Amino acid sequence: EAGVAQSPRYKIIEKRQSVAFWCNPISGHATLYWYQQILGQGPKLLIQFQNNGVVDDSQLPKDRFSAERLKGVDSTLKIQPAKLEDSAVYLCASSSLQTSGRGIQNEQFFGPGTRLTVL
Amino acid sequence: DAKTTQPNSMESNEEEPVHLPCNHSTISGTDYIHWYRQLPSQGPEYVIHGLTSNVNNRMASLAIAEDRKSSTLILHRATLRDAAVYYCILRSYNQGGKLIFGQGTELSVKP
Repeated sequence: EAGVAQSPRYKIIEKRQSVAFWCNPISGHATLYWYQQILGQGPKLLIQFQNNGVVDDSQLPKDRFSAERLKGVDSTLKIQPAKLEDSAVYLCASSSLQTSGRGIQNEQFFGPGTRLTVL
Repeated sequence: DAKTTQPNSMESNEEEPVHLPCNHSTISGTDYIHWYRQLPSQGPEYVIHGLTSNVNNRMASLAIAEDRKSSTLILHRATLRDAAVYYCILRSYNQGGKLIFGQGTELSVKP
C-alpha cells in the first residue's frame, strides 16, 4: 500500500516570497491533515479536512496561509508571503477517520514532510 | 486541551526493555491515550493507543494506571531502530480526533 506522498521534500525561499506544498493521501482516506513542525518541537495541527470540507483550521494563520483539497483527494498548502518564522517541516497526514462517536481513534499516517527554509 | 508530561530524554541499551513514562493528571473520560514516534527525518508513526485496559501489539505494550492519570509505553527489546522521539498524546473523540503533540521523549539506544 502506497503511503502519503508529499512534494517537494525541500524548499528554500526568501522572505516575502510565496511557496506551495502538495500532498497525496493514502487512497480512500477521507481525512487529511496539515501540520507544522518547528525544529525541536512536536508537530502542530494547521488544518484538518474531511473529504473536501474544512473541519478545523483554528491554528492556521489565515492572513498568509491557505489550503485547499479539491475533489477530496490531493491537497495543497500555500504560504504567501513567507516570513522567517515559517521555517519548519510541513507534514501531511491522512486517516480513515470518522468525525463522530467513539470510532475516531484510527491512526494517522504521515508523509515524509517538506522542509522549508525561509532566508 | 488535556496535556501530557514526559521526560525530555531517555537512554537505553540495545536488547533491553524500555519503559517510557507519561503523566496526564487532567485526563478526562473521553480521552484516549495515544503514542506516536518520530524517527529522524521522518514523519511520526502510530505506535499504540488505549482507553483503560493495558494493550499489546507487535510494536509495544501500553500500561495504563488504574486512575488513568499516567501510562507507560513499553518496548520489550530495544533495537537501534527504536531510537526516536516518542510522543504521548491524549485524543478526545469530542474534538474530531485531532492529535495535539507535546515535546515528546527523545530515546537513544546504545549498542
